[in-house]
Amino acid sequence: SAVISQKPSRDICQRGTSLTIQCQVDSQVTMMFWYRQQPGQSLTLIATANQGSEATYESGFVIDKFPISRPNLTFSTLTVSNMSPEDSSIYLCSVRPIHRRGMNTEAFFGQGTRLTVV
Amino acid sequence: ILNVEQSPQSLHVQEGDSTNFTCSFPSSNFYALHWYRWETAKSPEALFVMTLNGDEKKKGRISATLNTKEGYSYLYIKGSQPEDSATYLCASPANFGNEKLTFGTGTRLTIIP
Repeated sequence: SAVISQKPSRDICQRGTSLTIQCQVDSQVTMMFWYRQQPGQSLTLIATANQGSEATYESGFVIDKFPISRPNLTFSTLTVSNMSPEDSSIYLCSVRPIHRRGMNTEAFFGQGTRLTVV
Repeated sequence: ILNVEQSPQSLHVQEGDSTNFTCSFPSSNFYALHWYRWETAKSPEALFVMTLNGDEKKKGRISATLNTKEGYSYLYIKGSQPEDSATYLCASPANFGNEKLTFGTGTRLTIIP
């Protein structure tokens, strides 16, 4: 299992500003995943954060808008840059500890960051 | 792109009644199906991870079935209680060993006391 501490839990931000979300995991994991859920939408993967290499972004998401840091195997940050009201979402970090390749283990999530951009 | 769909989008159920909802996924290249419960202001938590056709899993009053040949899974809640109010998400990995999960839009369940 894994316990993830995510902060902040919520924030209200002015458009044009940036917010950095942090996730700390209680164990070392290779990959950390960043998701967002816009109102009425599914959890959508933004990017996969790998320690020691650039994050891998999904279609529709770019590094300039969502820069990610992964300085070690237990910590990652996601920044939402130059925010607009469309960025109002719940942002979640997640890990899937895999003990051997191919095991279908469950995902563990942070508590989420509820972001409102005004 | 893996397409995972859930229905209904939302559901109101009287306390004590039983209910169920559906997750649909492509039957080709299936590897696993996950169910999560996401209560307001909490982290999503895993309910089940299912891999085999015909799998049935149970946790208390909640159970799930899996049909990989036709590409669907049902989640059942027996004797609904107010604490069952949550969004229920299903998810599937794109391929074997892939750690990324594709989620459905969720079913928002509200139990009416």
